[in-house]
Amino acid sequence: GDSVTQMEGPVTLSEEAFLTINCTYTATGYPSLFWYVQYPGEGLQLLLKATKADDKGSNKGFEATYRKETTSFHLEKGSVQVSDSAVYFCALSMSGGSNYKLTFGKGTLLTVNP
Amino acid sequence: EAQVTQNPRYLITVTGKKLTVTCSQNMNHEYMSWYRQDPGLGLRQIYYSMNVEVTDKGDVPEGYKVSRKEKRNFPLILESPSPNQTSLYFCASTDRTFEAFFGQGTRLTVV
Repeated sequence: GDSVTQMEGPVTLSEEAFLTINCTYTATGYPSLFWYVQYPGEGLQLLLKATKADDKGSNKGFEATYRKETTSFHLEKGSVQVSDSAVYFCALSMSGGSNYKLTFGKGTLLTVNP
Repeated sequence: EAQVTQNPRYLITVTGKKLTVTCSQNMNHEYMSWYRQDPGLGLRQIYYSMNVEVTDKGDVPEGYKVSRKEKRNFPLILESPSPNQTSLYFCASTDRTFEAFFGQGTRLTVV
C-alpha cells in the first residue's frame, strides 16, 4: 500500500540555521503531497502542498518540490526561527476514489534554540 | 472563521463505559474523517465519511463507530472503550482540493 517515510528526528537547530527534513513516498499512482505542522497542544495545520510532479509548494519561508523521479518531497527553510519549533508531518493523498485519506509519515520534531 | 471543533479536549474514562467524541465543521465539506495519533506510529485513519449517511472504515476501525446524520457533524463513538484506545484523536474535514482541516484534538485516557 501507499506509505510515507520521513526522517524521525528529533532535529535541533539554532536560530537562522538551514532546515531540511527528508520525505520519500511509495504510491501506486500519482499522489498529492503535503506538509502539515503541529504546534504544541494544537491540531495539524497545512503548511504547503503540491499536486503534480515538479510543483513547488511554499509558505512562510518553507518550500518543498514534488520530485517524481526520486519519489521525494523534502521540506526546506533557509533560516529557521524559534517559532518554527513544532512537529512536521509529510503526507500523501491519492486523487480519485472515494477516500481522501491522508497517509502520514511518523513526524519529525523540530526544536529551534535562540 | 473556518474551523473544525472537537469536544471534549481531554477525557479520562474507565474500561467499558461508552463515550462519544463530537466533531463539527462549518465549511460545508462533504468529506470528514477521524484519525488517531500514537507515538512512533504517526496518524492513522479510523473512519471516514464521503457525505451524509455514507461512512466507511479506515485503517484501524476496530472498537469504533461513527455516524453522519448531518453534513456538519461526525461523532466518534466508543461503545466499550479499552486501554489500547488511549490515544490522541483528531477529526478532519477535507475540501475538494484534498486540503484537510483538523480539529484541536481529543486526548483520551482509558483506565
